[in-house]
Amino acid sequence: ETGVTQSPTHLIKTRGQQVTLRCSSQSGHNTVSWYQQALGQGPQFIFQYYREEENGRGNFPPRFSGLQFPNYSSELNVNALELDDSALYLCASSLEVTASYGYTFGSGTRLTVV
Amino acid sequence: QKEVEQNSGPLSVPEGAIASLNCTYSDRVSQSFFWYRQYSGKSPELIMSIYSNGDKEDGRFTAQLNKASQYVSLLIRDSQPSDSATYLCAVRSNFGNEKLTFGTGTRLTIIP
Repeated sequence: ETGVTQSPTHLIKTRGQQVTLRCSSQSGHNTVSWYQQALGQGPQFIFQYYREEENGRGNFPPRFSGLQFPNYSSELNVNALELDDSALYLCASSLEVTASYGYTFGSGTRLTVV
Repeated sequence: QKEVEQNSGPLSVPEGAIASLNCTYSDRVSQSFFWYRQYSGKSPELIMSIYSNGDKEDGRFTAQLNKASQYVSLLIRDSQPSDSATYLCAVRSNFGNEKLTFGTGTRLTIIP
């Protein structure tokens, strides 16, 4: 059973640019959640996708958007990057939205905005 | 008031002693509670989950939950230097999108 994989592992972007982060969910999992973890903080919920539809969103502006594909892999897109977007971006998958167990995160993408 | 609160630490514990980590939460409808361990530069790793009042033990780890007091704790017995990490408490309400709400984490250092 393969786990959650994220790419790229590290990324440096310039303020104002756009970035796409990718997540391959664990085999058989149809729900993907994205989190942002700034330095010294706990992860913050960005949004969740269930069967290709957005299923809940945290307190993030519209320039954070996402997609989920038929194979349940997912993308996180961030437009008009700001310095405060520098963070570790985490993806987690689960079998169903109502799964009661804890999420297993991927290894994350470290985004630095300069 | 923050939804999930933890002491940021650092918490220093001698090797072999018991490390006690605490977490309080504000949402009374919370149903699922998790402890994650995060090493510097790595992603969080799930180490314990607890869903009902009382204690749950797994090896050297014990999670304790008191829903009336809205309090969750993690005990690490026989602390090892490899336990040095940041420990994140996470809470889920089991409604809607099942999002996790995290505390800011407690940095634990085990002193050899």
